[in-house]
Amino acid sequence: DAKTTQPPSMDCAEGRAANLPCNHSTISGNEYVYWYRQIHSQGPQYIIHGLKNNETNEMASLIITEDRKSSTLILPHATLRDTAVYYCIGVSGSARQLTFGSGTQLTVLP
Amino acid sequence: EAQVTQNPRYLITVTGKKLTVTCSQNMNHEYMSWYRQDPGLGLRQIYYSMNVEVTDKGDVPEGYKVSRKEKRNFPLILESPSPNQTSLYFCASITLNEQFFGPGTRLTVL
Repeated sequence: DAKTTQPPSMDCAEGRAANLPCNHSTISGNEYVYWYRQIHSQGPQYIIHGLKNNETNEMASLIITEDRKSSTLILPHATLRDTAVYYCIGVSGSARQLTFGSGTQLTVLP
Repeated sequence: EAQVTQNPRYLITVTGKKLTVTCSQNMNHEYMSWYRQDPGLGLRQIYYSMNVEVTDKGDVPEGYKVSRKEKRNFPLILESPSPNQTSLYFCASITLNEQFFGPGTRLTVL
């Protein structure tokens, strides 16, 4: 699976969009990009995943660059409850084996 | 409601006293997994199970056992706990694209 690189921390103002970057320059053609988040000591929660097209669901949007070397998770209107560690994970095949890195601590400020 | 439950949520025990952490899911998933989470080390997989009576080691299996006698349950067994097994433990119930995590069990071994 591709190694991913994320900034260790970010802040975002409540109500604004939170844009969380992820670099995955070694990603191969059949590897998906998955995003999970973990709110303080709770179990990680699936957010979204994509291969090469941009994806959107009720939680977030995922923008993947055309060369697939990086992606951005967008929370359109961040709330205080979005404060969490966000993990970007490269996955080949199914998502049954996930390797969690250190992620990005997003703090949403009032 | 689809959920993964773990019990106990918190446990303080002493070295060498056998314990079992239970995990149960109501989603009829075949695949389940156990992780431990330690500061600075992220989530690491202990064991996983692909179906009833089918289990395999993850990245850090030493000191742990599991069983999968029925699809909904996947207990984690520590035959002789040691202080280095003090950690936050998560069970996950898994589909092809998503992992559903339990609420976590915080274990302290004195």
